[in-house]
Amino acid sequence: GESVGLHLPTLSVQEGDNSIINCAYSNSASDYFIWYKQESGKGPQFIIDIRSNMDKRQGQRVTVLLNKTVKHLSLQIAATQPGDSAVYFCAENMRGAGSYQLTFGKGTKLSVIP
Amino acid sequence: EAGVTQSPTHLIKTRGQQATLRCSPISGHTSVYWYQQALGLGLQFLLWYDEGEERNRGNFPPRFSGRQFPNYSSELNVNALELEDSALYLCASSPGQYNSPLHFGNGTRLTVT
Repeated sequence: GESVGLHLPTLSVQEGDNSIINCAYSNSASDYFIWYKQESGKGPQFIIDIRSNMDKRQGQRVTVLLNKTVKHLSLQIAATQPGDSAVYFCAENMRGAGSYQLTFGKGTKLSVIP
Repeated sequence: EAGVTQSPTHLIKTRGQQATLRCSPISGHTSVYWYQQALGLGLQFLLWYDEGEERNRGNFPPRFSGRQFPNYSSELNVNALELEDSALYLCASSPGQYNSPLHFGNGTRLTVT
């Protein structure tokens, strides 16, 4: 399959273990954050989002943690499966002059070892 | 519910030519966004259309343009193609509400030779 990026940070995890993917965001005024998963040859797929008035949100097998003090976002995947292998992007909404445009991080490649 | 659809999936052009990429949003979504994903550079915001109007554009030259039709589908045009325009072009849609996630299509892979 095609690569979505070169020289990406890579996280290798044993199947069944938990994964933690980290993201540092840039703008202290950002108020909305999203995690996306991108598999080879596909577009980014929405995983979970969180607003700045929360510090934790849980989905199915995933948890997002937001630390506004240090501008840090993390995605935790429980019981990682081979199908979780993909590139994961965090995105922040840097609300400017009335426009809505997401700014994406560089991505982290997750490789699950069977 | 059908997702965001993009066509063509692959497009090969030569330098100096024009490329036209198409996108159909999720039914009920009025906003369409275009992103460029070049190898190693992540997703770069290109254009945002809502209700037929261009609402914002990223830091790209004017030869990148587009439009949104009354049925909310959209077209991205790239004129005077350059080699560095080779990338995956992603379209996303949203219902136009603030703080709602974008839903992406699988992209058009544009190769400029």
